[in-house]
Amino acid sequence: DTEVTQTPKHLVMGMTNKKSLKCEQHMGHRAMYWYKQKAKKPPELMFVYSYEKLSINESVPSRFSPECPNSSLLNLHLHALQPEDSALYLCASSGRSPGPATGELFFGEGSRLTVL
Amino acid sequence: AQTVTQSQPEMSVQEAETVTLSCTYDTSENNYYLFWYKQPPSRQMILVIRQEAYKQQNATENRFSVNFQKAAKSFSLKISDSQLGDTAMYFCAFMYTGTASKLTFGTGTRLQVTL
Repeated sequence: DTEVTQTPKHLVMGMTNKKSLKCEQHMGHRAMYWYKQKAKKPPELMFVYSYEKLSINESVPSRFSPECPNSSLLNLHLHALQPEDSALYLCASSGRSPGPATGELFFGEGSRLTVL
Repeated sequence: AQTVTQSQPEMSVQEAETVTLSCTYDTSENNYYLFWYKQPPSRQMILVIRQEAYKQQNATENRFSVNFQKAAKSFSLKISDSQLGDTAMYFCAFMYTGTASKLTFGTGTRLQVTL
């Protein structure tokens, strides 16, 4: 199984809503990532979890709240978002366990978020 | 901090021809990975090829090969025998070695393969 599964694929929410994006991998990877991608732009790193602990937060606004309940799951909780937060949110994982890390990130298909 | 530069926003190539996408990067470190990722309109980011900085030999994956020039900090991607399915956005990316390092992307090159 070499897949990273993201749900939902599409999400429309109002600025007062609370929603969550989910990501799951069963490759035994030790690191998981959230990226945000605007149209025709490269992905921008938001958060990195390593061994279920937050290791990198790229100064993301607190209306985005990540959570890593276990080594296979990564959530992104959304609250009081703005229309400019509309984007494709990509989850990725890396670091095979056991064995040396190869550096490669495996990406999910993304969740397309629209904030009204 | 590392930066990755792709100077070609768009490129076009005819089917069966060869095309080269350029990438340069800047880092003061010695141990890192370089990648080319492909993102078709279906939007999933797919790894095309990977290069470890300590390896002098250029990586090759079927029709895809790189020209890695460490001293010049250059990492170009050559696609041979281009196919319609190669149409996509191509991102050059950089990552320091380590379990949870940042993967930093260039701005991307949109490649269109035509008949």
